[in-house]
Parts: sequence; C-alpha cells; structure tokens
Amino acid sequence: GAGVSQTPSNKVTEKGKYVELRCDPISGHTALYWYRQSLGQGPEFLIYFQGTGAADDSGLPNDRFFAVRPEGSVSTLKIQRTERGDSAVYLCASSPQGDRGYGYTFGSGTRLTVV
Amino acid sequence: AQSVTQLDSQVPVFEEAPVELRCNYSSSVSVYLFWYVQYPNQGLQLLLKYLSGSTLVKGINGFEAEFNKSQTSFHLRKPSVHISDTAEYFCAVSPSYNTDKLIFGTGTRLQVFP
Repeated sequence: GAGVSQTPSNKVTEKGKYVELRCDPISGHTALYWYRQSLGQGPEFLIYFQGTGAADDSGLPNDRFFAVRPEGSVSTLKIQRTERGDSAVYLCASSPQGDRGYGYTFGSGTRLTVV
Repeated sequence: AQSVTQLDSQVPVFEEAPVELRCNYSSSVSVYLFWYVQYPNQGLQLLLKYLSGSTLVKGINGFEAEFNKSQTSFHLRKPSVHISDTAEYFCAVSPSYNTDKLIFGTGTRLQVFP
C-alpha cells in the first residue's frame, strides 16, 4: 500500500482482556517497528523486526506484550491481561532494509483505552 | 545510552513570525538526529534528518535545523510560520552505528495564532 496501515484506529477494552493490534507496512519494507506513545510523551520503542524475526525486543515492558510477523509483512502486537496503564497510542513504522538513516514511515496509530 | 531533551513543551507564536524549537541530546557516540511532526490525528511525519556532512539541514515545509556538536543541539527553525504549522514536533536521536531504535523527546506543541 501507499502508507503504513494500522487497524483498528481505536480500541476500547476492559481491564484483563486480550487485544491484538495490526500493522500493515509499506510493501517491500523489510524493517518494522512498534512504538508506544503515552499521553504527553514522545514515542517509546517497543520492538523491531527485520523480516520475520524480532531483531530487538528490548522495549517490550513485560511478558504480557508479544509481537509477531510470521510472513515478513503484516505484524500483530498482542497484549494479554490488559491493564489501565497500557492505555496509549500504539504506533507502527516501517523502513526499507532497516532504518540506516532513511527515517521511518509511521502509521496513524491505534489508540488503546483500557477501562 | 542516548537521551533527548525538548525543554519547551509549548511554543505559541503569531503567523508569519519566526520560530525556533529547541532540542538537546546526550550521547557518548556519534548520532543521527531527526525531527518529526505530528498533526492532529495523524501519524508522525519526517521533517528532516542529520546524518553527516553539512550541519545545516533543510527539510520539508520550509523548516531547517542546525546540528551543533559542541552544544549537543539540533534546534529546528522556520523564518515565517503559517497556521498550518500548528502541530506537535518531536526531536529524535539514534546512534549512527545502530538506527534500529529512535529515542524521542517529549515533544513541543507549536501553536500558531492568526
């Protein structure tokens, strides 16, 4: 596609529920990133994929968070047993062959609200 | 480790006035520097980047930034702003040897008044 697509754009869930957030990167971009942006803050790195593998998942806050990219294109961020503190905008970005200074292309994000 | 400081959380300015948004970083290694803009309900868009070479970098929408290594700064400037420049601006840094994760500042909200 022309840009990075994230679905849903908004998600409201109850505390304790499981959610999945989807990212469809720009076609041909091998690198995919997830960031989380809390209210009043800049984006914080969560995880980086190069192809199908997670090259760096050091930003995942705990084991309730998991992400996959099974075919090297679409990625899903999965959050188990959601907590109110997980409420944030989750941003996905993609880049050709890893960033290397190209600059990412970000999607519009998924706003997650845990009530 | 790297960090980014954007001291101004909000910058109000009148249309056609010049503006400077400040960004300072800390790093023990050489870095790449970026400015992103976020319009309401939209994703982050790359404004400009410094990788190497000339310290004055020109970006989209008439913005420019100057890399100052001695002051560890990368301030964003525009000589004459428009109402449409109202947005959130984020400075970001990555080590030049590994750009797989960006470290963002907390953002500066630029509000342009008529």
